[in-house]
Amino acid sequence: GQQVMQIPQYQHVQEGEDFTTYCNSSTTLSNIQWYKQRPGGHPVFLIQLVKSGEVKKQKRLTFQFGEAKKNSSLHITATQTTDVGTYFCASELGNQGGKLIFGQGTELSVKP
Amino acid sequence: NAGVTQTPKFQVLKTGQSMTLQCAQDMNHEYMSWYRQDPGMGLRLIHYSVGAGITDQGEVPNGYNVSRSTTEDFPLRLLSAAPSQTSVYFCASSQRDTQYFGPGTRLTVL
Repeated sequence: GQQVMQIPQYQHVQEGEDFTTYCNSSTTLSNIQWYKQRPGGHPVFLIQLVKSGEVKKQKRLTFQFGEAKKNSSLHITATQTTDVGTYFCASELGNQGGKLIFGQGTELSVKP
Repeated sequence: NAGVTQTPKFQVLKTGQSMTLQCAQDMNHEYMSWYRQDPGMGLRLIHYSVGAGITDQGEVPNGYNVSRSTTEDFPLRLLSAAPSQTSVYFCASSQRDTQYFGPGTRLTVL
């Protein structure tokens, strides 16, 4: 079935360094969503990308959707301690609303 | 709005016991889903619903039942708990795109 692979599993950075997590699929994705989960918390929606080659920014966060709609990335510039958490990508299964398949997540730790 | 609520927050069961995890949303969302989260495996879809009276299986449905008699409620039933069902369970609702997650239920099966 459809799978979304996410790397790396863990990333440890010094505060101020940049961070990137990647999602890849062997099949074309209808869209890609990104979520953040703080330690002990629940996933919180960050953004959705739908168009091929789409790039969206939220302050220090940049989200990209690949031209072939098979990969996506989340880049954080100059990390802060508030960025700590696990970042997940997710995509709709078979273009069925409410039915998401998630990547394994990237756990980000930031050393002050 | 309370958003998505889940009860209980924590639960310990013995192998073979049954229980129901409750989930409710007050946003009038059509779609509701149940996920389990295990270390290193992300969130895996158990069951989902596209409206009252309509449910379908996700990636890991075995050992779980759901029903959706109202738009607001989507309970998850464990029929005969097994240690492999030890996990954190999240309920989510959406009106197509953005999923709103509940705070989760941490379940331990001994």
